[in-house]
Amino acid sequence: AQTVTQSQPEMSVQEAETVTLSCTYDTSESNYYLFWYKQPPSRQMILVIRQEAYKQQNATENRFSVNFQKAAKSFSLKISDSQLGDTAMYFCAFMKQGAGANSKLTFGKGITLSVRP
Amino acid sequence: DTGVSQDPRHKITKRGQNVTFRCDPISEHNRLYWYRQTLGQGPEFLTYFQNEAQLEKSRLLSDRFSAERPKGSFSTLEIQRTEQGDSAMYLCASSLVIYSGDAYEQYFGPGTRLTVT
Repeated sequence: AQTVTQSQPEMSVQEAETVTLSCTYDTSESNYYLFWYKQPPSRQMILVIRQEAYKQQNATENRFSVNFQKAAKSFSLKISDSQLGDTAMYFCAFMKQGAGANSKLTFGKGITLSVRP
Repeated sequence: DTGVSQDPRHKITKRGQNVTFRCDPISEHNRLYWYRQTLGQGPEFLTYFQNEAQLEKSRLLSDRFSAERPKGSFSTLEIQRTEQGDSAMYLCASSLVIYSGDAYEQYFGPGTRLTVT
């Protein structure tokens, strides 16, 4: 079974600054995907960024980038130029890859990010 | 495309009553997932459907829980004889999976918040 650990329950960042959210995971799988999802207050969860484990290059989506360290089983999210709209709960998630995989997501506990004006 | 919708958004019920939730996925999506999210935790996988077939159920899904997806369209999740421990947010997600085992974005609904008194 897979586990995803987000050990920081809360973080705060000043608007326009950069913040990094940490995530570690444990798995015996070789092929998998990792995701960061954002859940704004009282709104639905949306995908922020995804990383394929077989790719060495770190994924980037505009102001969001990841630092994927496969050997260390670490997957952190960096948010640059933080905006007030980034205030949300952020979840790190794992998905197995491969024939027969059911595509279910295994989530961490999440981290509450507050962006201060 | 209006996204994934869930009904009702909030449900308060007394212990021992039965409740039913509905999820309408994005119309062309063939996979539908149910997750449960308790306060301070990440979503946990409950079950998923490929079209109308229920392919996996988590051990979290006790005998009091049943899910259906008739005709591969909307899905219902029923909880019989509700208990206070069933209080949670129930999330539905859908995706279009072409090749089993590949990661396709899961689109989440707003959730149904259940409170059992």
